[in-house]
Amino acid sequence: EVQLVESGGGLVQPGGSLRLSCAASGFTFSSYEMNWVRQAPGKGLEWVSYISSSGSTIYYADSVKGRFTISRDNAKNSLYLQMNSLRAEDTAVYYCARAQPYSSSWYFDYWGQGTLVTVSS
Amino acid sequence: QSVLTQPPSVSGAPGQRVTISCTGSSSNIGAGYDVHWYQQLPGTAPKLLIYGNSNRPSGVPDRFSGSKSGTSASLAITGLQAEDEADYYCQSYDSSLSGGCWVFGGGTKLTVL
Repeated sequence: EVQLVESGGGLVQPGGSLRLSCAASGFTFSSYEMNWVRQAPGKGLEWVSYISSSGSTIYYADSVKGRFTISRDNAKNSLYLQMNSLRAEDTAVYYCARAQPYSSSWYFDYWGQGTLVTVSS
Repeated sequence: QSVLTQPPSVSGAPGQRVTISCTGSSSNIGAGYDVHWYQQLPGTAPKLLIYGNSNRPSGVPDRFSGSKSGTSASLAITGLQAEDEADYYCQSYDSSLSGGCWVFGGGTKLTVL
């Protein structure tokens, strides 16, 4: 059974840092592209970042570019999101999601349960 | 606002049929990128409902169907059930934003009357 379990969320002050982790199991992690998607309280879904299976290709949403860093450790079946210079508008539940290529795009076939990040003084 | 446009809410009585639209543009749906749909039950993570415009993952009832035409896509739910009450999101890919990124609709809240 595919499982994605996020951790590392919490309360942080504006300008602070936080590192999220996503532990994967039930599939060959090193074969899949992974993403982070977030959802602000009461709002919709927003894609945050993508990393290829090898980690060689990375993309970010403009809203987090230069502040967030995605990475993975295939030996540990883990995905990470280092978040620096956090702002109030980064407050959200952060989901890790497995990407499945399809034709000319990708979809997210498995999601974790999410971890809440609250940026507030 | 979201790159893909969905109605904020739809409603229907049990047994009825409802549709949720997802309107994009020439840089996403209109460019040929596929549309995928997710269902998010209250307090839970999103779940894949439809992929590749009209394909259902294993376990998704055939009451759910998707279609795509031009710069828009639609999700149809027939035989509405109380358990279908949830938020629904469409998702595609956009090639115009900083070299490309994944985009979602703003979400549609389905209320079963």
